[in-house]
Amino acid sequence: TQLLEQSPQFLSIQEGENLTVYCNSSSVFSSLQWYRQEPGEGPVLLVTVVTGGEVKKLKRLTFQFGDARKDSSLHITAAQPGDTGLYLCAVYGGSQGNLIFGKGTKLSVKP
Amino acid sequence: DTAVSQTPKYLVTQMGNDKSIKCEQNLGHDTMYWYKQDSKKFLKIMFSYNNKELIINETVPNRFSPKSPDKAHLNLHINSLELGDSAVYFCASSRQGRNQPQHFGDGTRLSIL
Repeated sequence: TQLLEQSPQFLSIQEGENLTVYCNSSSVFSSLQWYRQEPGEGPVLLVTVVTGGEVKKLKRLTFQFGDARKDSSLHITAAQPGDTGLYLCAVYGGSQGNLIFGKGTKLSVKP
Repeated sequence: DTAVSQTPKYLVTQMGNDKSIKCEQNLGHDTMYWYKQDSKKFLKIMFSYNNKELIINETVPNRFSPKSPDKAHLNLHINSLELGDSAVYFCASSRQGRNQPQHFGDGTRLSIL
């Protein structure tokens, strides 16, 4: 059973569209991180959310942490081809306190 | 300046061989990690080192052995390579403590023939 469920698994949209991807769990977390991974590169941290209900904005990206700190969403406004990549949510958890990743949402933005 | 660098970027080798992947970080971080990303892009922790001591060792085969000569380096040695070892291996580092962001290298794509 996956600790973090990300949806959708794949998303292909046209430039200029808006989109939302989700990261859900039945567990409560003290914080949650979002990373973006581009082809041939390692994941790069976008944001860490720590407070239930928190909303953080990074240019056209809006991140929200659920009130119960069990889920998070990432909304992209007016998507651009440069937003193409694999979006991963991650939390510290498990018996050994590892950073555990979801399986990711692969986003493709076409010009 | 590259923060976390790993070499080689590509590694193609035959089943049964022994190989090493090197990783260096210049961020002054105390903790370094090795992850494996499979063909479905699932990223999973293999090892982490904190101040040269292994603090997490997930259930990976003992053919995999991390070696840290100093705080800035964490190398991964793999013995008797198997087909199932084909994947992309990422090195990462972070400051000590929970909830710290991790900084990743660009990965080593290992292909076993």
